[in-house]
Amino acid sequence: TQLLEQSPQFLSIQEGENLTVYCNSSSVFSSLQWYRQEPGEGPVLLVTVVTGGEVKKLKRLTFQFGDARKDSSLHITAAQPGDTGLYLCAGGTLGRLYFGRGTQLTVWP
Amino acid sequence: DVKVTQSSRYLVKRTGEKVFLECVQDMDHENMFWYRQDPGLGLRLIYFSYDVKMKEKGDIPEGYSVSREKKERFSLILESASTNQTSMYLCASSLAYNEQFFGPGTRLTVL
Repeated sequence: TQLLEQSPQFLSIQEGENLTVYCNSSSVFSSLQWYRQEPGEGPVLLVTVVTGGEVKKLKRLTFQFGDARKDSSLHITAAQPGDTGLYLCAGGTLGRLYFGRGTQLTVWP
Repeated sequence: DVKVTQSSRYLVKRTGEKVFLECVQDMDHENMFWYRQDPGLGLRLIYFSYDVKMKEKGDIPEGYSVSREKKERFSLILESASTNQTSMYLCASSLAYNEQFFGPGTRLTVL
């Protein structure tokens, strides 16, 4: 059973476009993390959100935690080829993380 | 910066061999984790440890064991490697369980 569902699974866009990826669950989490992973490397932590309704910005990336702490979204403004990668969300509860399967983003120049 | 290192980036082993994957972190983190990552399945937790000599089973512990003799080092052991253990293995460490820092991964192929 997958606790966290990410959508879309694949996203291929042109440089300069905006995009949103989603991370949904029926479970409540005490925190939610977003990671980015490049081919052949380990995931790198981008952000942690802990409060329902919280919004965090990291340059062109905006992260939001749902009011009920069950879901999250990642919005990228004016995507660049350097944003290409696998975006993973992970929910924290009961002393561990549960990962979604990821959204593979490709940004073409 | 947190640094998590894994002993090998690529490893090729034969079926039935005993395989050791080593992970070392330099930030005095209490918690360490082993995952495997397969296409379409995401990251699955194999084992984790909250302290030296302590270990907890994750979601897929069968066929694996772990050792944590020192705080900075967490080893994953495949007692008798099988072809279905071909995968990318990722080690992570954290102070709090929810902000994990990952190593570069070991891509293991079992022939």
